Amino acid sequence: NAGVTQTPKFQVLKTGQSMTLQCAQDMNHNSMYWYRQDPGMGLRLIYYSASEGTTDKGEVPNGYNVSRLNKREFSLRLESAAPSQTSVYFCASIPGQWAYEQYFGPGTRLTVT
Amino acid sequence: AQSVTQPDIHITVSEGASLELRCNYSYGATPYLFWYVQSPGQGLQLLLKYFSGDTLVQGIKGFEAEFKRSQSSFNLRKPSVHWSDAAEYFCAVEGGADGLTFGKGTHLIIQP
Repeated sequence: NAGVTQTPKFQVLKTGQSMTLQCAQDMNHNSMYWYRQDPGMGLRLIYYSASEGTTDKGEVPNGYNVSRLNKREFSLRLESAAPSQTSVYFCASIPGQWAYEQYFGPGTRLTVT
Repeated sequence: AQSVTQPDIHITVSEGASLELRCNYSYGATPYLFWYVQSPGQGLQLLLKYFSGDTLVQGIKGFEAEFKRSQSSFNLRKPSVHWSDAAEYFCAVEGGADGLTFGKGTHLIIQP
C-alpha cells in the first residue's frame, strides 16, 4: 500500500514548455486535490476532484488543467509554463468528500526558468 | 469563504521548554480543523484533527490542541519540545468538499 504517489519528484522546465504532473492513490479514495506551496504562502488549492469524472477550480487555477483519468489517478497539466509556476506541488486524497484528513503525496518540486 | 491566520511566522523555543503555536480561523459553521507538520524537503504529516466532541484533542508526537469556539482558535501545544520538532507547522480548516484552507505556516526553531 503506497498511499499517494507523485511523479516526477523534481522537474526543470523552460518558459513556454508543457508538462504533466502525475498523481495516483491506491486507497480507493473518492476525492483528490492539487495544491501548490510557495514560501510564506502555505498551501493553496489549484483544482480538486470530488469524484471520478468531476473536477472543480480551487483558489489558484489559472495556467493549469487537470484530468481525473479514473478513480486512482489525477493529473495536473501546465500547457505553457511560466516562472510564476515555480513551486512545490502536492497531491492529496480523502475517502469521501469532506470531514476526513487528507493524505498527501511527497510533492513535486518544479522550477521554471 | 473560510480563512486561517497563523500570527507567528517564526518561533524559537529552547529544547525542553513548552510550546504553543497559535491558529485563528474564520468560518461560518462548525469547522473541521487540522494541524499538519512538514519537515524540510518532506510532505505533510497530520498531527491531529478536530471534528466534534471533546475540545481538547490529542495527536501524535505528544502534541495536543484546544478548540475554542468563542475565540475562533485552535492552538497547538506541547509540554516539552525536542530538537526533532523543528519544522514548519500548518493549521488548516475544511469548510466542505472544496479542500483545505491553510494558514501560511509557523516555522519552529529549537535552541539547544
